[in-house]
Amino acid sequence: GNSVTQMEGPVTLSEEAFLTINCTYTATGYPSLFWYVQYPGEGLQLLLKATKADDKGSNKGFEATYRKETTSFHLEKGSVQVSDSAVYFCALETQAGTALIFGKGTTLSVSS
Amino acid sequence: SAVISQKPSRDICQRGTSLTIQCQVDSQVTMMFWYRQQPGQSLTLIATANQGSEATYESGFVIDKFPISRPNLTFSTLTVSNMSPEDSSIYLCSVGGGENFAGAYEQYFGPGTRLTVT
Repeated sequence: GNSVTQMEGPVTLSEEAFLTINCTYTATGYPSLFWYVQYPGEGLQLLLKATKADDKGSNKGFEATYRKETTSFHLEKGSVQVSDSAVYFCALETQAGTALIFGKGTTLSVSS
Repeated sequence: SAVISQKPSRDICQRGTSLTIQCQVDSQVTMMFWYRQQPGQSLTLIATANQGSEATYESGFVIDKFPISRPNLTFSTLTVSNMSPEDSSIYLCSVGGGENFAGAYEQYFGPGTRLTVT
């Protein structure tokens, strides 16, 4: 079946460090891929998305590239800030109008 | 995007009782979903709320336990019935497919309802 696998957390970094959170997926067809972020005490927010192979989603300094050959959608940021501390969820949508399938989430903690 | 509100934002309930959670959107949307996020866990889909017909439930979730209504394109309710401590979770609605959305793949989440069952 369809699934999303994220790297286990927590991830602990110092401010200005480089961030990678790995995400791989299993799906039939050509899913759309998403990263959502959940800041402490807040709801889930869409961070970025990619809807076809080789698309790069980007927002707030975060990037992720849809790699069909490796079925991956790794999240990266060149220089993290304390304010980036949150839980990050990778998700896929097998076709437009269907519910999202989420990974287990990765907790990021950034210290100054 | 759309503005999504949920009521209540949190509640503490006694076992055996029921709680109805409301999800209101400020524009008409095609898709509405209900998810559960148990403590420290990811999101699990409970059901798809279909306008004008019965909700479509995922494996492990049944209508008697989680009845859902969707009377129009801007509103839905989820009831958690005969609650037990295992129902303690955050319940979230998500929406998509409306005229205010950038495309078919945009889905947005409400702020969630934090339920504690004692």
